[in-house]
Amino acid sequence: VLTQSPATLSLSPGERATLSCRASQSLTNYLAWYQQKPGQAPRLLIYDATNRATGIPARFSGSGSGTDYTLTISSLEPEDFAVYYCQQRRWWPIIFGQGTRLEIK
Amino acid sequence: EVQLVESGGGLVQPGGSLRLSCAASGFTFSNYGMTWVRQAPGKGLEWVSAVTGSDDNTHYADSVRGRFTISRDNYRNTLYLQMNSLRAEDTAVFYCARSQIVAAGFGPFDIWGQGTLVTVSS
Repeated sequence: VLTQSPATLSLSPGERATLSCRASQSLTNYLAWYQQKPGQAPRLLIYDATNRATGIPARFSGSGSGTDYTLTISSLEPEDFAVYYCQQRRWWPIIFGQGTRLEIK
Repeated sequence: EVQLVESGGGLVQPGGSLRLSCAASGFTFSNYGMTWVRQAPGKGLEWVSAVTGSDDNTHYADSVRGRFTISRDNYRNTLYLQMNSLRAEDTAVFYCARSQIVAAGFGPFDIWGQGTLVTVSS
């Protein structure tokens, strides 16, 4: 099970966002983060806990280990307001977290 | 350009069948694992099924095992999802996605299609 918190995060552009993903067992860093905007497919942001995917801006960073992982957006841009999902690939079945909605305050 | 294009969605009655296709282009399809992920209206992402690139091993979510079958045609660069015994709760946008080549395991999913909507209703 992957539990994301908070369910909704209300922040203003320029602020720092911290999103959490907690697993019921150790994922040995096999944790990814995705961004999804309305009407669009998800986009890979971070893989294996800390690696930015191709073309992802440096303001997105991932950290964590074991069962606890964090996605940080250092300074929010208007286009960053979206839903974010974590996903584990440590075991089958692959599981997504329930998502965190990042909304404009 | 690396691209995935899904097709085959539509309206089907409960108990019916549907086959989704995902046409890949811009990369060597046979080298990559592929997966299906779905999203019910207003809900989160749910992984459905995967097929590895190296040995065509298949994996399924418990919710679809025994009803759905994933397959691939490396000559046609196409991924399929045969869906049988469809239920109302299968209503969702179905995305195909590519598994990034990594040192170990399957995933993450670095390329996604635009999705195809499956509606199961009488």
